[in-house]
Amino acid sequence: AQRVTQPEKLLSVFKGAPVELKCNYSYSGSPELFWYVQYSRQRLQLLLRHISRESIKGFTADLNKGETSFHLKKPFAQEEDSAMYYCALSRRGGSEKLVFGKGTKLTVNP
Amino acid sequence: GAGVSQTPSNKVTEKGKYVELRCDPISGHTALYWYRQSLGQGPEFLIYFQGTGAADDSGLPNDRFFAVRPEGSVSTLKIQRTERGDSAVYLCASRRPGQGSQDTQYFGPGTRLTVL
Repeated sequence: AQRVTQPEKLLSVFKGAPVELKCNYSYSGSPELFWYVQYSRQRLQLLLRHISRESIKGFTADLNKGETSFHLKKPFAQEEDSAMYYCALSRRGGSEKLVFGKGTKLTVNP
Repeated sequence: GAGVSQTPSNKVTEKGKYVELRCDPISGHTALYWYRQSLGQGPEFLIYFQGTGAADDSGLPNDRFFAVRPEGSVSTLKIQRTERGDSAVYLCASRRPGQGSQDTQYFGPGTRLTVL
């Protein structure tokens, strides 16, 4: 079965500190992994996807197939990073419906 | 350009009533998705349209839920005999397949459904 696990419901860090939001998945096959973000009073939006290998707003995520993880990292957190973060996966080449984790609420304190 | 829009933004209804939720996708997006997000959970897939047809409705929880997209653009999610457990935010997303880095799901603001 497809599953995405985000073990931390809440994560609080201070501005300038490193941050890592954990994501583990279970999937038989080759999934595509995503991180979505939802800022306060805004709609859900894509932050990054593993096939792009991009750094967006200073965030990076590396797919580790051996550990089935796709952790999101940023070396120096900013207050504007405070938001709800969702890890998600989809099957490549199909309907590409997304399977989401339950989300991690990140708070960056001044 | 205009993003995905959903109406109404909020809907309060009574148990047993029928409701319709509307989604206007981004122009030219052939793929359309419905998700449901309950409190404290991530979005959960309901149904996917490619054009006018429902290509994957495996996420619909039961036969009280139905969705249509008759002209391949606007979609309506219909819920019959609503139950309190149907209370959630219903999200719509659209996508234009084959657009490289733009091939991603764009989400609407959601409709918050409350069943009393």
